Amino acid sequence: GAGVSQSPSNKVTEKGKDVELRCDPISGHTALYWYRQSLGQGLEFLIYFQGNSAPDKSGLPSDRFSAERTGGSVSTLTIQRTQQEDSAVYLCASSGPGTGDSYEQYFGPGTRLTVT
Amino acid sequence: EDKVVQSPLSLVVHEGDTVTLNCSYEVTNFRSLLWYKQEKKAPTFLFMLTSSGIEKKSGRLSSILDKKELFSILNITATQTGDSAVYLCAVATKAAGNKLTFGGGTRVLVKP
Repeated sequence: GAGVSQSPSNKVTEKGKDVELRCDPISGHTALYWYRQSLGQGLEFLIYFQGNSAPDKSGLPSDRFSAERTGGSVSTLTIQRTQQEDSAVYLCASSGPGTGDSYEQYFGPGTRLTVT
Repeated sequence: EDKVVQSPLSLVVHEGDTVTLNCSYEVTNFRSLLWYKQEKKAPTFLFMLTSSGIEKKSGRLSSILDKKELFSILNITATQTGDSAVYLCAVATKAAGNKLTFGGGTRVLVKP
């Protein structure tokens, strides 16, 4: 596609419910990243996928968070038993195979999650 | 733990002014530093800097990196209201995956 797309753009859920957030990376991009941005904060790395390698999950804040990437393309971030502190904008980014020092990441519009 | 700090947190200027944004970092195995502009949700890429002392320019924006003192600056000259945004600095390290460590951002408001 022309850019990274994410859905839904906004999600309001009740505390304790599970949510799924979707990311469609730019076609041909091998790397996919999830970040979280809480109100007034910088971006916090969550998880990273590169090709068929095992994902780097070092940024996931708890075991309620998980993500998968099917077929090396679309990714889903799942938050189980949501808590109010999970409220944030969840941003997805992708980057190409890259050569040399090209690490430019292209971001999607994000999903604003509100847990009530 | 890798750390990226931006200053100031926010600033308000008038059209035509010049602004200088600062980004300092303490990371292991530095690879490159990136600047992004975030107006609503999606950050958009501005610059990537890998080498010290080489200025990158794009229109009224420019940026430079000092790998000895571990900082970068982003300059915006002749500011316009469209420059109002949050400017994010991020550092890529040689850790697996090029994951970025972001600073907290600088919020710039340009008044007419």
